[in-house]
Amino acid sequence: DTGVSQDPRHKITKRGQNVTFRCDPISEHNRLYWYRQTLGQGPEFLTYFQNEAQLEKSRLLSDRFSAERPKGSFSTLEIQRTEQGDSAMYLCASSRLGQNTYTFGSGTRLTVV
Amino acid sequence: KQEVTQIPAALSVPEGENLVLNCSFTDSAIYNLQWFRQDPGKGLTSLLLIQSSQREQTSGRLNASLDKSSGRSTLYIAASQPGDSATYLCAVSLEGKLIFGQGTELSVKP
Repeated sequence: DTGVSQDPRHKITKRGQNVTFRCDPISEHNRLYWYRQTLGQGPEFLTYFQNEAQLEKSRLLSDRFSAERPKGSFSTLEIQRTEQGDSAMYLCASSRLGQNTYTFGSGTRLTVV
Repeated sequence: KQEVTQIPAALSVPEGENLVLNCSFTDSAIYNLQWFRQDPGKGLTSLLLIQSSQREQTSGRLNASLDKSSGRSTLYIAASQPGDSATYLCAVSLEGKLIFGQGTELSVKP
């Protein structure tokens, strides 16, 4: 297992388009997290899953954002009708329930033009 | 609402200097506190984890302390090297998620 994988690494899209990102966590990790990071800021929590259940969503996650983890393995984050303010690095992390260590992926950098 | 603040926002030091990065948080009801390193354009690498019942953790040239009652943590880096240049983030763990500070961008000059 090579860690948490995110795809794509970079995405440039036009305003108004929909985009989808994928995260593959470490296989034995049952918790998966999405964070958003803008330039010069720390990551902000968006949502997290325990297995396939989405346990919490931040108020940052507007109606245009949706996340899924259908089989408790990989997860997708979709942004509909992208806006310039959505430009950021989207980070995925995974952990095992009961353990405090988190493994982060390299992120997907989204640029909305 | 838990807020995490890091001071300074940026720091430039000559190689070999010892340095301290500061982190403060507003709610002492944390599960643990972690320090991460982030290289430009990359994800986060965990450096040190301090449980809420602990006072400090050490790994090599790094030492992190935690004072829950005052809502403070420090990351001490001894004998800094150019390879230490990165952004350092602290995060508190609360109810299953991490809440991050804005980071300290460290530059170590040869």
